[in-house]
Amino acid sequence: DAGVIQSPRHEVTEMGQEVTLRCKPISGHDYLFWYRQTMMRGLELLIYFNNNVPIDDSGMPEDRFSAKMPNASFSTLKIQPSEPRDSAVYFCASSFRLGGYTFGSGTRLTVV
Amino acid sequence: RKEVEQDPGPFNVPEGATVAFNCTYSNSASQSFFWYRQDCRKEPKLLMSVYSSGNEDGRFTAQLNRASQYISLLIRDSKLSDSATYLCVVTHTGRRALTFGSGTRLQVQP
Repeated sequence: DAGVIQSPRHEVTEMGQEVTLRCKPISGHDYLFWYRQTMMRGLELLIYFNNNVPIDDSGMPEDRFSAKMPNASFSTLKIQPSEPRDSAVYFCASSFRLGGYTFGSGTRLTVV
Repeated sequence: RKEVEQDPGPFNVPEGATVAFNCTYSNSASQSFFWYRQDCRKEPKLLMSVYSSGNEDGRFTAQLNRASQYISLLIRDSKLSDSATYLCVVTHTGRRALTFGSGTRLQVQP
């Protein structure tokens, strides 16, 4: 099993540009999570899905952030327009029912 | 106030030392408890679950005190490879997502 796959690993973009982060969960997992990690705020939940349906998006910072899960094997997190304060490491994780969580390697986003 | 509080450290200890980390959580609806380990520039990985009766995994011992809303992790005979950030994590009843503490950094020195 390849684990949770995130792309890109690193992204550097200019303020105002659209950024799309991608995640492929482990096959068969029915939960998918997006987290953001910064030095100041640590690991914060942005949104999570169950069976491709968003369950809790209360952590999404503002309307500039959106997340979709069009099918069981793919999810995107989009930031439009991006701002320097969005610079962080974004992790995707998946799990099956009450089982353990597996995190992807993360996308390190820098907005200049 | 953060929902899960940890001393950020760093804890600098010599090899072979015993070190203990503590964590407090504020939500009484917290249901499940974990310790995760995160190496520099890597993703978090599950170290161990924490049960009310206390549990041990090799050199690692975890304890939970629900009355005091307190979780601990004890590492015996520290190794250089134990150097990492240790994250205290909880879940709540009816909510599948993990809530993370800010982490405690451990540096084991030769």
